[in-house]
Amino acid sequence: QKEVEQDPGPLSVPEGAIVSLNCTYSNSAFQYFMWYRQYSRKGPELLMYTYSSGNKEDGRFTAQVDKSSKYISLFIRDSQPSDSATYLCAMSVNSYDKVIFGPGTSLSVIP
Amino acid sequence: DGGITQSPKYLFRKEGQNVTLSCEQNLNHDAMYWYRQDPGQGLRLIYYSQIVNDFQKGDIAEGYSVSREKKESFPLTVTSAQKNPTAFYLCASSKYPDPFSGNTIYFGEGSWLTVV
Repeated sequence: QKEVEQDPGPLSVPEGAIVSLNCTYSNSAFQYFMWYRQYSRKGPELLMYTYSSGNKEDGRFTAQVDKSSKYISLFIRDSQPSDSATYLCAMSVNSYDKVIFGPGTSLSVIP
Repeated sequence: DGGITQSPKYLFRKEGQNVTLSCEQNLNHDAMYWYRQDPGQGLRLIYYSQIVNDFQKGDIAEGYSVSREKKESFPLTVTSAQKNPTAFYLCASSKYPDPFSGNTIYFGEGSWLTVV
């Protein structure tokens, strides 16, 4: 079993839809959770960062962490064509430990 | 502007040749990393460095070498020993350790290496 798993997609949604992107993980010691967005042929950029469980909202983006289920989610409201990218989840045990990345989910938002 | 600069963006190499990818950051970050990204495999850690003049192997270090002589610079050499070097290479950095933001990593724009 991989340490962090994501459905690779591709996920295709119409413009304006609510998108749900998910990751599962096996290491219950993970405490720091991140979401990155990567446009084609570009480096990933940090979207959201959360510590431990709970929700965090930033504009159209909401990150959720459910440590009891070892499951994290990124919700995108009112999705736009500019949201079309690959989304990578990432996590680490503490602030100095190695960050583990998921393989990424490819999202296409159709106008 | 602060950021991470990788060069070259695209590079072609003949089999049997070594090639060095440059990475410079002006974020005053302590830690720097090299990742390799292949389709469907996500990011794999090649080498990382948490302090000048020190670095550690990541998960796929064979066939690669690095140096960290300056805080701002972390070049990666892809040697002829790397059996399948064609990939997208990403340099990254983070403030280490940073208890306020975990270990959030910031990436450069990447370098595409093709072996011909």
